[in-house]
Amino acid sequence: QVQLQESGPGLVKPSETLSLTCTVSGGSIISYYWSWIRQPPGKGLEWIGYIYYTGSTNYDPSLKSRVTMSVDTSKNQLSLKLSSVTEADTAIYYCARYRGVGGGRFDCWGQGALVTVSS
Amino acid sequence: EIVLTQSPGTLSLSPGERATLSCRASQSVSSSYLAWYQQKPGQAPRLLIYGASSRATGIPDRFSGSGSGTDFTLTISRLESEDFAVYYCQQYGSSPWAFGQGTKVEIK
Repeated sequence: QVQLQESGPGLVKPSETLSLTCTVSGGSIISYYWSWIRQPPGKGLEWIGYIYYTGSTNYDPSLKSRVTMSVDTSKNQLSLKLSSVTEADTAIYYCARYRGVGGGRFDCWGQGALVTVSS
Repeated sequence: EIVLTQSPGTLSLSPGERATLSCRASQSVSSSYLAWYQQKPGQAPRLLIYGASSRATGIPDRFSGSGSGTDFTLTISRLESEDFAVYYCQQYGSSPWAFGQGTKVEIK
């Protein structure tokens, strides 16, 4: 059974770069698309973007200028970097696996990592 | 960019009642790329329905999805206590893969 685990600093200062890692266990990242989704406290889900295991990416236009996603197939890990953060970037950040065969969906999710942006 | 609008924002119902949740898209979405998720407090979202009407593994048959084009519906035939949660639709047909704003199903 595939499991996803987000990790990284829980506190980031304004204007700095948020960095998170998603470690995939029980399965390979190869042949799948992987997404990052965030959820500000008390609010809804926001899609950040996706990365294919080959490294090709697609980001939400509202975050595109600040987001970088990457994959490390040797470690079975994904990473997310969000630069120039503000308090508005405070959120729970989830990684999720996308499957398209039979219908698009996120079929596996990490438990989420809370990142607070504060000085 | 496709915008998904969910209604109602909150649905107050009693256990055993039927819940009907709506997800309306600003442009046509391929049925293959419309999914529904359930989220409970403190938990990650859980996939319920994909391809507009296919139940994910382990999802009870009281959950059903339907619709096409711009109008999609999630129906819970008889609410059980564990079904009170927030529900989100999401489309994958075109980028960005937007979520709806969510419908909260609460106990009346």
